[in-house]
Amino acid sequence: DADVTQTPRNRITKTGKRIMLECSQTKGHDRMYWYRQDPGLGLRLIYYSFDVKDINKGEISDGYSVSRQAQAKFSLSLESAIPNQTALYFCATSDAGFEGTDTQYFGPGTRLTVL
Amino acid sequence: GQSLEQPSEVTAVEGAIVQINCTYQTSGFYGLSWYQQHDGGAPTFLSYNGLDGLEETGRFSSFLSRSDSYGYLLLQELQMKDSASYFCAFGGSARQLTFGSGTQLTVLP
Repeated sequence: DADVTQTPRNRITKTGKRIMLECSQTKGHDRMYWYRQDPGLGLRLIYYSFDVKDINKGEISDGYSVSRQAQAKFSLSLESAIPNQTALYFCATSDAGFEGTDTQYFGPGTRLTVL
Repeated sequence: GQSLEQPSEVTAVEGAIVQINCTYQTSGFYGLSWYQQHDGGAPTFLSYNGLDGLEETGRFSSFLSRSDSYGYLLLQELQMKDSASYFCAFGGSARQLTFGSGTQLTVLP
């Protein structure tokens, strides 16, 4: 079984709809991340959480919110989806380590299309 | 501000050696990582340099020069399966990884 899972894997929705992307991990890591990938722009950090009570905004948090329900679960919500949020979304986890040096383990991604 | 620069595309033939360069700018720096991604799949960790010098892992090596704010990933004995995107990323003072835009490597037969 995969260590980091994301649901759904693909989603097509309409402008204005609320969408939730879910991430679960069995690696026992404290740190979890949500990234967005657009063609030619690499991976950009949306939110990150170092434990259940420690949630932080990343580079591009506007229009997104998150919930850390448990150590193993981290959800990303789009309250009112818009077309420019069409992208590939990745969840990642890492173990505690010196800042910025820990290896990140990525889920398979969710391809979101907003019409 | 924080930024990384790497070439957008590199092409090489099977069996050859290829070097993917990465330059960075940041106020705080804790090391340079490299990730591989095949066709929109999950990125996977390849290598990390916390100190200056060369790190070798099989056919892949990574180099860092902190004084030059520069690093590279070296892939030897290229195979078709090495065709993928390669991302450099640094750990900075903001407790997170910042990724470059990626280099698409195409390996030709």
